Amino acid sequence: QKEVEQNSGPLSVPEGAIASLNCTYSDRGSQSFFWYRQYSGKSPELIMSIYSNGDKEDGRFTAQLNKASQYVSLLIRDSQPSDSATYLCAVGGATNKLIFGTGTLLAVQP
Amino acid sequence: GAVVSQHPSRVICKSGTSVKIECRSLDFQATTMFWYRQFPKQSLMLMATSNEGSKATYEQGVEKDKFLINHASLTLSTLTVTSAHPEDSSFYICSARGGAGEQFFGPGTRLTVL
Repeated sequence: QKEVEQNSGPLSVPEGAIASLNCTYSDRGSQSFFWYRQYSGKSPELIMSIYSNGDKEDGRFTAQLNKASQYVSLLIRDSQPSDSATYLCAVGGATNKLIFGTGTLLAVQP
Repeated sequence: GAVVSQHPSRVICKSGTSVKIECRSLDFQATTMFWYRQFPKQSLMLMATSNEGSKATYEQGVEKDKFLINHASLTLSTLTVTSAHPEDSSFYICSARGGAGEQFFGPGTRLTVL
């Protein structure tokens, strides 16, 4: 069973701090990695994709991938209350499907 | 990112009726679309993979005769919930696969079966 694991949280951080969200996956053949943000009652929104080891930055977001450790993370700098949401890690492999984690609930405290 | 629309956004129906949900990729062609269901405070659950011009592939435990999927064009997939019952009430979300393996989600359809 290919799995993607995330801490369900909630992860509570003060406004302006760095939020660090983590994800591990079981399939060593995984090739693509994504972070989605899902607000309550809404559908997921793609915020980051990463395909090779290292860091990828986009604005306040940085995705980090370590294939040897089967670990992918998302850092959110200068966290804002509007960042409060569930963050889903998704991993793609040889098939067209993505395997989603159960998500981490982030709460940014004003 | 690419834009995916869904219609309707919300539907309330009586038990026993059928409901059709449309999913469209507005600015790109999607050979593959996906249908998910999400119950309150639960994870996304993949129901089926919809491939243009061929039969959908259903996940284990999903009744293909109850959840009819048609993907007749590169921009449109439909999900029909046949003979809906209250336990089918859920948030149904489609996605379209992009060229790099990512999925772009529609806004979802909230189905309530009375």
